[in-house]
Amino acid sequence: AQSVTQPDIHITVSEGASLELRCNYSYGATPYLFWYVQSPGQGLQLLLKYFSGDTLVQGIKGFEAEFKRSQSSFNLRKPSVHWSDAAEYFCAVEGGGADGLTFGKGTHLIIQP
Amino acid sequence: EPEVTQTPSHQVTQMGQEVILRCVPISNHLYFYWYRQILGQKVEFLVSFYNNEISEKSEIFDDQFSVERPDGSNFTLKIRSTKLEDSAMYFCASRMLQARPQHFGDGTRLSIL
Repeated sequence: AQSVTQPDIHITVSEGASLELRCNYSYGATPYLFWYVQSPGQGLQLLLKYFSGDTLVQGIKGFEAEFKRSQSSFNLRKPSVHWSDAAEYFCAVEGGGADGLTFGKGTHLIIQP
Repeated sequence: EPEVTQTPSHQVTQMGQEVILRCVPISNHLYFYWYRQILGQKVEFLVSFYNNEISEKSEIFDDQFSVERPDGSNFTLKIRSTKLEDSAMYFCASRMLQARPQHFGDGTRLSIL
């Protein structure tokens, strides 16, 4: 069964600084990979997805992620964070014939002024 | 942009009572899902539904849970006899096809007293 690891529970970044959130997955083949963001009291909003092709994918709100097969990673990046980026970020994987998404435990992003 | 809508936003129920959580998926979507998120924990897959039947369910989705698409627009999750540990945020999701992202609603917070 697939699994997703987000090793950082909390990350604090200064506004305007760059950001990288880590995600590692465990799966035998190439899965479908996703990043979702959850603001307090809100649902899950899709930031970006990887299905195949170019390993660097662009998403909404200036986010991008890079799929690295050799490292089983799909890290999320943003060159300059804004205070409105403070939220919970979830990496998710789909594959192996399973229909449901498997989520990581999430990374809570705090933005310092 | 079309959205997945969930009602109610917050449901408070006595332990042992039945509860029905309602979702209206995006209108041209064919695959429907329920997930739950216990406070402070990761999002967990419960069940997927396609062509008027369950296509996959997790270990969490035991006999107390059921899903139904009673008409062309609603998708419901019923919990037959609620327990304290059913307290969680429940998310509905839908997608048009497989190999497409799932779109999530804002969730229903279920509180069991």
